[in-house]
Amino acid sequence: NAGVTQTPKFQVLKTGQSMTLQCAQDMNHNSMYWYRQDPGMGLRLIYYSASEGTTDKGEVPNGYNVSRLNKREFSLRLESAAPSQTSVYFCASSPAGSWGFFGPGTRLTVL
Amino acid sequence: GENVEQHPSTLSVQEGDSAVIKCTYSDSASNYFPWYKQELGKRPQLIIDIRSNVGEKKDQRIAVTLNKTAKHFSLHITETQPEDSAVYFCAALNDYKLSFGAGTTVTVRA
Repeated sequence: NAGVTQTPKFQVLKTGQSMTLQCAQDMNHNSMYWYRQDPGMGLRLIYYSASEGTTDKGEVPNGYNVSRLNKREFSLRLESAAPSQTSVYFCASSPAGSWGFFGPGTRLTVL
Repeated sequence: GENVEQHPSTLSVQEGDSAVIKCTYSDSASNYFPWYKQELGKRPQLIIDIRSNVGEKKDQRIAVTLNKTAKHFSLHITETQPEDSAVYFCAALNDYKLSFGAGTTVTVRA
């Protein structure tokens, strides 16, 4: 039981490049989330998927897209990376009515 | 949307003393309030949570209280130890969306 896994762990991009962050969970949770964490700003919700087949915007969706590929996988895509997207990205999953499980994070630097 | 405010942003306590972190939320529809601990370079981990129909919950040295009328909730850590040094986040859940406070850096002095 791996919990929530994310790939890659680290990534450096140049401005304008694109990339996809991958997330998978093996806990059979319906809901999955993408957060970004910047110093002094806590965790801010980018997108979430309440259940397979649905996605919704969070607080800071601009510049990102998501795909809920199936119940296990939820990917985050940066189409044209900008320096303002330099951050640590966390994927998380939760059972209904509760919360709790984060992946190990992806540290992204955009030059 | 939900707005969660957390205070203080930093907290330094002597080993063995208590630490208290306070949070307020804006949306009365929020019904679940977890607390997370994050050590440097690691993922946030759930340490305790409370639902809106409960006023207080305790787990060994940590406890959480909730005042729904005032829309605030607090984390209490008693008999602090060096391993309690970390960043703590409060959060509020409303309709699948979990909103976080900005975090409190707790330092326990030996």
